[in-house]
Amino acid sequence: NAGVMQNPRHLVRRRGQEARLRCSPMKGHSHVYWYRQLPEEGLKFMVYLQKENIIDESGMPKERFSAEFPKEGPSILRIQQVVRGDSAAYFCASSERRSPGELFFGEGSRLTVL
Amino acid sequence: AQTVTQSQPEMSVQEAETVTLSCTYDTSENNYYLFWYKQPPSRQMILVIRQEAYKQQNATENRFSVNFQKAAKSFSLKISDSQLGDTAMYFCASGAQGGSEKLVFGKGTKLTVNP
Repeated sequence: NAGVMQNPRHLVRRRGQEARLRCSPMKGHSHVYWYRQLPEEGLKFMVYLQKENIIDESGMPKERFSAEFPKEGPSILRIQQVVRGDSAAYFCASSERRSPGELFFGEGSRLTVL
Repeated sequence: AQTVTQSQPEMSVQEAETVTLSCTYDTSENNYYLFWYKQPPSRQMILVIRQEAYKQQNATENRFSVNFQKAAKSFSLKISDSQLGDTAMYFCASGAQGGSEKLVFGKGTKLTVNP
């Protein structure tokens, strides 16, 4: 059973460009979470999605950031018009049900904004 | 709101010895979970141990055990017989049960196991 797959592992963008990060949850998991990790910091919750629904986006910046988890295909975290402060590691986690502690994390996508 | 505090930015231990990592938390939830995650240089987050707050018995996973002091809101991790592969960042986290699904993480403790 493949784990949570994230790609790309590394992404470099110039200021003003768009970044798209993808996450395929573990097989059978319908709950996806995105976290951001800034250097020397712990993970910060961004958004929680189920298939086709955003359940909790309280950690998402109000502008430029969006997330989706379509019926088919991976979850996408999209960052428009990136700025240097967006440079971070973005982690996706999935779970089989709505319960903390059953999260399985991917290896993260490291975004570098030049 | 939940907060998690790890007061030890870095720690080191000699191989085969025991080390304890500290964590305190604050939550208004009645039912919650506490976790320790390990993040090795590969950066993948790996669950080390989990504790349900309603359970009085401290969780144990092989060489890893916790000291859960609910009244003091303390949740320390003890690693026995430390191994070189234990070198990693360790994050304490809390999550509410039955409500918000998000985990709140501390800033982490960098543990180095020396040969």
